Amino acid sequence: AQSVAQPEDQVNVAEGNPLTVKCTYSVSGNPYLFWYVQYPNRGLQFLLKYITGDNLVKGSYGFEAEFNKSQTSFHLKKPSALVSDSALYFCAVRASLANSGYALNFGKGTSLLVTP
Amino acid sequence: KAGVTQTPRYLIKTRGQQVTLSCSPISGHRSVSWYQQTPGQGLQFLFEYFSETQRNKGNFPGRFSGRQFSNSRSEMNVSTLELGDSALYLCASSAIGAGDTQYFGPGTRLTVL
Repeated sequence: AQSVAQPEDQVNVAEGNPLTVKCTYSVSGNPYLFWYVQYPNRGLQFLLKYITGDNLVKGSYGFEAEFNKSQTSFHLKKPSALVSDSALYFCAVRASLANSGYALNFGKGTSLLVTP
Repeated sequence: KAGVTQTPRYLIKTRGQQVTLSCSPISGHRSVSWYQQTPGQGLQFLFEYFSETQRNKGNFPGRFSGRQFSNSRSEMNVSTLELGDSALYLCASSAIGAGDTQYFGPGTRLTVL
């Protein structure tokens, strides 16, 4: 079974400070990991993904994430937060095994609030 | 390229009715997945279609069904609506590989009264 945990319901950070949104996963075999962002009354917007290769993945809008296999984590980071980054962030996992299907398993989401 | 489009964006139905939601994927994408998003359960996978065949199905009752057409457009149907079916229904499309990104549409907000 595949699962994702986002341990923080909400993360608060001041504008200009670095931000981290945590994600840990459980999957059989090698994982495919994704981060999405959702603004109010909108669909999910893709930020970045890890499939293979370099553990540090860079994505849209200055976000990056580090894949850590030993800790089964894929934390989302940004060096300097903007007020416009305030949104709901979802981590998702899918196993790379051929018979595991293509469904994404999402975490519960973390609400990020960046204050001026 | 145009993104994933979903129609209608908002829908209000009453218990017992049925509803059909539509999704048009990104041009060239052959896989379409559907998800239900609710405040209590979060994002849950409904089903995935590829080349007009259901490839995966989530843990939802048989009242939830879907189909995909030869042009990759997809519809999902919910029969005998219940109050608990009120949710944001999201459609996502992707290319054929398991590592390919799923791109989401804006969703259809279904309210069941």
